[in-house]
Amino acid sequence: AQTVTQSQPEMSVQEAETVTLSCTYDTSESDYYLFWYKQPPSRQMILVIRQEAYKQQNATENRFSVNFQKAAKSFSLKISDSQLGDAAMYFCALGELIFGTGTRLQVFP
Amino acid sequence: EPEVTQTPSHQVTQMGQEVILRCVPISNHLYFYWYRQILGQKVEFLVSFYNNEISEKSEIFDDQFSVERPDGSNFTLKIRSTKLEDSAMYFCASDSNLNTEAFFGQGTRLTVV
Repeated sequence: AQTVTQSQPEMSVQEAETVTLSCTYDTSESDYYLFWYKQPPSRQMILVIRQEAYKQQNATENRFSVNFQKAAKSFSLKISDSQLGDAAMYFCALGELIFGTGTRLQVFP
Repeated sequence: EPEVTQTPSHQVTQMGQEVILRCVPISNHLYFYWYRQILGQKVEFLVSFYNNEISEKSEIFDDQFSVERPDGSNFTLKIRSTKLEDSAMYFCASDSNLNTEAFFGQGTRLTVV
């Protein structure tokens, strides 16, 4: 069975600092995609970043980057220079079917 | 910018009633999805739809649920006889290809009383 685990229900960070959200997964597939989604209070899910498993290079989108460790089945999200607008729930997802339980990120001024 | 739209934003229904949740995916997208999120909990996949048929469905998607793409633009989720535990946010998403980027709608909050 495919699973996604987010072991941090809540995280907090000070504005301008860096925070890392962890995600581990399990799959027997060799080729797959991993996603991080942001869900602000408005509740709409917004794609933050995507990683293709066959690509060794870690994906980066501006202040967001991932540390993808395929052998360890780990896919953490690093947010640099955190902003107040980053406060949201963050979901890690394996493909389009399996989501983690989410991490609530608080950003303090 | 193209977006997925869902209507209504909030639906209140009595237990046992049928509800239809509507979604208009992005026009050139081929893959369509419904998810459910019970308040404060994880996002759960319900069903995916491609080429006018269900491609995958989860255990949640039992005989009470059905999906349709009646007219080439709308994508609907029907719950035949709602239960209290069906109360949740329901999200529709669409994608131009498999596993590229699923664009989500803003959700329909379903409250069953």
